[in-house]
Amino acid sequence: DGGITQSPKYLFRKEGQNVTLSCEQNLNHDAMYWYRQDPGQGLRLIYYSQIVNDFQKGDIAEGYSVSREKKESFPLTVTSAQKNPTAFYLCASSMVAGENQPQHFGDGTRLSIL
Amino acid sequence: DQQVKQNSPSLSVQEGRISILNCDYTNSMFDYFLWYKKYPAEGPTFLISISSIKDKNEDGRFTVFLNKSAKHLSLHIVPSQPGDSAVYFCAAYLNTGFQKLVFGTGTRLLVSP
Repeated sequence: DGGITQSPKYLFRKEGQNVTLSCEQNLNHDAMYWYRQDPGQGLRLIYYSQIVNDFQKGDIAEGYSVSREKKESFPLTVTSAQKNPTAFYLCASSMVAGENQPQHFGDGTRLSIL
Repeated sequence: DQQVKQNSPSLSVQEGRISILNCDYTNSMFDYFLWYKKYPAEGPTFLISISSIKDKNEDGRFTVFLNKSAKHLSLHIVPSQPGDSAVYFCAAYLNTGFQKLVFGTGTRLLVSP
C-alpha cells in the first residue's frame, strides 16, 4: 500500500532537548512538506522540499530544521530554540511541486512538552 | 492575516440532508482550491478540488462550487451520512513562485442519525 508514514505517533520532549520526527513516503513523490497544526488554526507550513537535497523555509521555520537526503524521507527536527513546540505535526507529499497537485498527508505526530 | 477563511467552526446536520460548508478567500491570486476531510488523530484526506477556470466540480455525493466574483467556495454533501462527521478544511494554492497551499481553520461537521 502506497502512503506516508509518520513516526512516532506521540512524542514527549524535555526542556532543552532536540527531537526528530520521521516522515517516509513510498508514493515516489518529488515534493514533501511539514506542517504544524494548533487548536482552532489551519495548517501552517514549516518547511518544504521540491527535490532531493533541496529544501526551503516555510512560514514558521524558526526553531526547526530538516534534511532531504533521500527522495522517500524528510525528517523534521524540533530544536530547543522552538519555544512553543507543543502541536500536531503533519507531513505531506505531492507528485510535483508547483502544479496544483493535491498533497497527501500522513497521520501526524503529536508532540508535547514534559 | 487569514487569507482563507472558514467562518463557521461547526455545523450540525441530520442524516440524509444536505451539508453545506463555506469558505471565503481574500486573494484573487489563488487559482486552485481543495477540500480536505480530517478525522481526529489522523492526517487530512483529500476530497475534491476545483480550478479557478471552473465554477463547479462533482464527485459522487460531493460537489464544490466556486464563485470567483464573491471569492467564495462551498462544499455540498448530499445526502449526508454519519460517517461524514469530521473536520473539513478548505485550502487554496497561491502562486508565489512556489505554489503554496494555504489552509482555512476548518469546520467541524456532525451528522446525526
